Amino acid sequence: SQELEQSPQSLIVQEGKNLTINCTSSKTLYGLYWYKQKYGEGLIFLMMLQKGGEEKSHEKITAKLDEKKQQSSLHITASQPSHAGIYLCGADYAGNNRKLIWGLGTSLAVNP
Amino acid sequence: EADIYQTPRYLVIGTGKKITLECSQTMGHDKMYWYQQDPGMELHLIHYSYGVNSTEKGDLSSESTVSRIRTEHFPLTLESARPSHTSQYLCASSDTGGNQPQHFGDGTRLSIL
Repeated sequence: SQELEQSPQSLIVQEGKNLTINCTSSKTLYGLYWYKQKYGEGLIFLMMLQKGGEEKSHEKITAKLDEKKQQSSLHITASQPSHAGIYLCGADYAGNNRKLIWGLGTSLAVNP
Repeated sequence: EADIYQTPRYLVIGTGKKITLECSQTMGHDKMYWYQQDPGMELHLIHYSYGVNSTEKGDLSSESTVSRIRTEHFPLTLESARPSHTSQYLCASSDTGGNQPQHFGDGTRLSIL
């Protein structure tokens, strides 16, 4: 979708390296959801951000929402093969979680 | 892990057959969703339900239909399958109220020959 862009499209890193995935919106976000998807499977909820400047962490994954609420970054510290998969961001523009606009995803491979 | 289940996981079937994809959740969520996901494309919402006896079409036009007779069950039906229906179908549910994340099933990968 033009409204929500993820970068990079794909990423290959060596185990132990840090990495960042970005999700940029063309308009102000009410909420931003991060999910991880294993190939051929469903989406696993990681984190939800709503407030400008908000930052949340789960194990070695940290997500931030910038002050203007138009971009979010997902940072993985000391990547492991278990982090491999597709990371998707979903934008809530209406505040009711009904219609999420989804990014195309970032495919992450972690080489041991 | 969320308790939402989709069956079958994989289905290969011939053109013209009637298909029902099952989705059940044990969390008591009022909201349920069906998405279609194709390789390299974003998730597209095809059906949405606020609760029992409430269904709406999503943003992507779909020839499928849904029903919501029970809170926990949200099946999707294709009356006459066509090759263009080949895709991954994902079911999700969420609790009522804003800022509630959607929890997804593992999906059904459908191939129509």
